[in-house]
Amino acid sequence: QKEVEQDPGPLSVPEGAIVSLNCTYSNSAFQYFMWYRQYSRKGPELLMYTYSSGNKEDGRFTAQVDKSSKYISLFIRDSQPSDSATYLCAILDFGNEKLTFGTGTRLTIIP
Amino acid sequence: SAVISQKPSRDICQRGTSLTIQCQVDSQVTMMFWYRQQPGQSLTLIATANQGSEATYESGFVIDKFPISRPNLTFSTLTVSNMSPEDSSIYLCSAGTVYGYTFGSGTRLTVV
Repeated sequence: QKEVEQDPGPLSVPEGAIVSLNCTYSNSAFQYFMWYRQYSRKGPELLMYTYSSGNKEDGRFTAQVDKSSKYISLFIRDSQPSDSATYLCAILDFGNEKLTFGTGTRLTIIP
Repeated sequence: SAVISQKPSRDICQRGTSLTIQCQVDSQVTMMFWYRQQPGQSLTLIATANQGSEATYESGFVIDKFPISRPNLTFSTLTVSNMSPEDSSIYLCSAGTVYGYTFGSGTRLTVV
């Protein structure tokens, strides 16, 4: 079993829709939870990070963590064509400061 | 957050040769990381580079193949040695803190 599993996609939704991206993890030592966005031929860009269960909002983006279920989600409201990218969940083991990435979900927002 | 400059952005190399990738951070950071990403795939950690000590390699990666230098707190290099077509990939460096790691734009390597 991989330490981080991510819904693989690809995912195509119409503009304006709500997008839900999901990951599960297996290691309870993981303490920081991040979402990265990666455009084609670019490096990953940090979107959000959180370290506690619950929701964290930043504009149209909401990161949700459920530590009891080892489940994390990223919601995108009012999706835009510019949101089309690959989204990677990443989870940090605070002990060794290493990130473990999910496999990524390619998202396409259709105008 | 840290800003990372990585170069070269891409290269095409002959098999059996070596390529050194440079990563410059605009602020001092304790840890830097090197990743490999196959097109359409996720990121695989190659090694962690700490200033003043030997890099720590992940399973499946060895120093002879991927030597790393970390001469100061803002700079690191990764060398891909004795390249084969299987080394064709995107190589990324990363740095930052537990509150978020920044990535370089990557080096797209093709070995022919």
